[in-house]
Amino acid sequence: KQEVTQIPAALSVPEGENLVLNCSFTDSAIYNLQWFRQDPGKGLTSLLLIQSSQREQTSGRLNASLDKSSGRSTLYIAASQPGDSATYLCAGRGGGADGLTFGKGTHLIIQP
Amino acid sequence: EAQVTQNPRYLITVTGKKLTVTCSQNMNHEYMSWYRQDPGLGLRQIYYSMNVEVTDKGDVPEGYKVSRKEKRNFPLILESPSPNQTSLYFCASSLSGGAYYGYTFGSGTRLTVV
Repeated sequence: KQEVTQIPAALSVPEGENLVLNCSFTDSAIYNLQWFRQDPGKGLTSLLLIQSSQREQTSGRLNASLDKSSGRSTLYIAASQPGDSATYLCAGRGGGADGLTFGKGTHLIIQP
Repeated sequence: EAQVTQNPRYLITVTGKKLTVTCSQNMNHEYMSWYRQDPGLGLRQIYYSMNVEVTDKGDVPEGYKVSRKEKRNFPLILESPSPNQTSLYFCASSLSGGAYYGYTFGSGTRLTVV
């Protein structure tokens, strides 16, 4: 069964820094990987979706990569801002009717 | 606006009193699912539906029921809620059960069972 791990569990950095969040998965037979943002007490907002045939996706200051062979994905945030403070979740989707398998998230704080 | 709508957002109930959490999507998605989120355990799938009248168990289905009579709606039913079902619940949808599509999530329902 797919397991997804996110490191670090928490991260606090000063505003303006570039940072990388890590996500690893155990089953390389992954069809896609999705990064979400969750604000306290709120729902999940989809940030980026990477198909298994792709290596990366970009949206504004965010760039996500996927390396199936090593079982890793990274989310790169450029020029971080206090508004980026949130919990970031990665989730892998397997084949067929399998749902998403989530990591437990990285709680990110950007200090003004 | 394309969205998944859950109601209610917050609910406090007593043990054993049947309740339903509604979920509706306006994107004509075939695939819908329910997750619960608990501290330290993350998000876990409760039930999913590939299409109308097609539902199946996820990882933590005990104590829950679902139905899919219409494509847009996928209610979650707790027939006899217990305190261990206190959690944050999310409904999600995807264009199809094919694995190449991303998910859209609702805003969540925070349920407290006392």
